[in-house]
Amino acid sequence: DSGVTQTPKHLITATGQRVTLRCSPRSGDLSVYWYQQSLDQGLQFLIQYYNGEERAKGNILERFSAQQFPDLHSELNLSSLELGDSALYFCASSERDRVNTGELFFGEGSRLTVL
Amino acid sequence: GQQLNQSPQSMFIQEGEDVSMNCTSSSIFNTWLWYKQDPGEGPVLLIALYKAGELTSNGRLTAQFGITRKDSFLNISASIPSDVGIYFCAGQNYGGSQGNLIFGKGTKLSVKP
Repeated sequence: DSGVTQTPKHLITATGQRVTLRCSPRSGDLSVYWYQQSLDQGLQFLIQYYNGEERAKGNILERFSAQQFPDLHSELNLSSLELGDSALYFCASSERDRVNTGELFFGEGSRLTVL
Repeated sequence: GQQLNQSPQSMFIQEGEDVSMNCTSSSIFNTWLWYKQDPGEGPVLLIALYKAGELTSNGRLTAQFGITRKDSFLNISASIPSDVGIYFCAGQNYGGSQGNLIFGKGTKLSVKP
């Protein structure tokens, strides 16, 4: 158990819909990272937050948005869903003094299926 | 963008055998890391390397940061069934807008008892 909590574990929805994925980092961690894992693209970095502020942005589509709240939990919002958005979405956190070292603690992921 | 080439894509070995996998990049990284992912789980950090030429061990695992900073390898000695999973290399550059990890596509390891 990494200490990073993600909900829901599984989500099935239809094209055009909107979903929200939730993440709580490990106690004491200020950074949250979102990754998308698909069979053909592997693990792709989406976005990073540090203490409520966006720190780095990767290959995140305009239809996707995220935020980190004052209690440090984060939400990833996916809208106008397409079949190709079906993937595992991972949240990760890092220790306060190890931010940007690449040392991440990953949650168990949220598996999104778009039908 | 930056890409990592990880090989082999998959390996089928007998329990007790040693395993070697590697990762190369066309650009340099300041940090190389190796993660393992079990089915239904998120990746777990195995080893992190911070200096070119660095050789680091974690139990039966040994990893090296290439001198050119463009490659890394991971060795597993005397494999056991619980070594089964997908191993990912990852490169990290810090500072500016590059503060995120680039992952390889993974090496899927199967161990026959």
